[in-house]
Amino acid sequence: DSGVTQTPKHLITATGQRVTLRCSPRSGDLSVYWYQQSLDQGLQFLIQYYNGEERAKGNILERFSAQQFPDLHSELNLSSLELGDSALYFCASSVDGQYSGNTIYFGEGSWLTVV
Amino acid sequence: AQKITQTQPGMFVQEKEAVTLDCTYDTSDQSYGLFWYKQPSSGEMIFLIYQGSYDEQNATEGRYSLNFQKARKSANLVISASQLGDSAMYFCAILNFGNEKLTFGTGTRLTIIP
Repeated sequence: DSGVTQTPKHLITATGQRVTLRCSPRSGDLSVYWYQQSLDQGLQFLIQYYNGEERAKGNILERFSAQQFPDLHSELNLSSLELGDSALYFCASSVDGQYSGNTIYFGEGSWLTVV
Repeated sequence: AQKITQTQPGMFVQEKEAVTLDCTYDTSDQSYGLFWYKQPSSGEMIFLIYQGSYDEQNATEGRYSLNFQKARKSANLVISASQLGDSAMYFCAILNFGNEKLTFGTGTRLTIIP
């Protein structure tokens, strides 16, 4: 158990819908990352938050947004869903966004299927 | 831009043998971190081992060791005494300390044969 908690574990939704994925980082970790894993694109970095503020942005679509709340949990919002958004979405956390050798731990992922 | 190359899409290894999974990387950064993760068929991403570019000694974690050759930009994972439970996808990743982006390779599917 990595200590990173993601909900829901599985989600099936229709095209055009909106979903929210939730992540609770490890106790004491201030930095949260979101990744998408799909068969055709592999593992892609989406976005990172550190202590409530956006720190880095990757290949995140405009239809997607995220935030980190004062209690450090994070949510990834996916809207106007398309079939191609079906993927495994990972949340990860680390102690310090100013990386200095701290390990990045991943949650178990949220499987999203868009039908 | 950073890049990770894992040239072995799949490997079959006899149980109890040692395994080396290859990873080469490309980066222009002076300071970076290298990770190995294991992904079983259930999907979770399990941290195995970390090596900082500034670490002179190779990292070890139990049966896992990282053969870090900085000049060759190589960070191979060595698993000693393989077990059936080691069957999984293995990903090498590099962390850019500047933008906090973890870049993954395409992975190696390891199958341990009894």
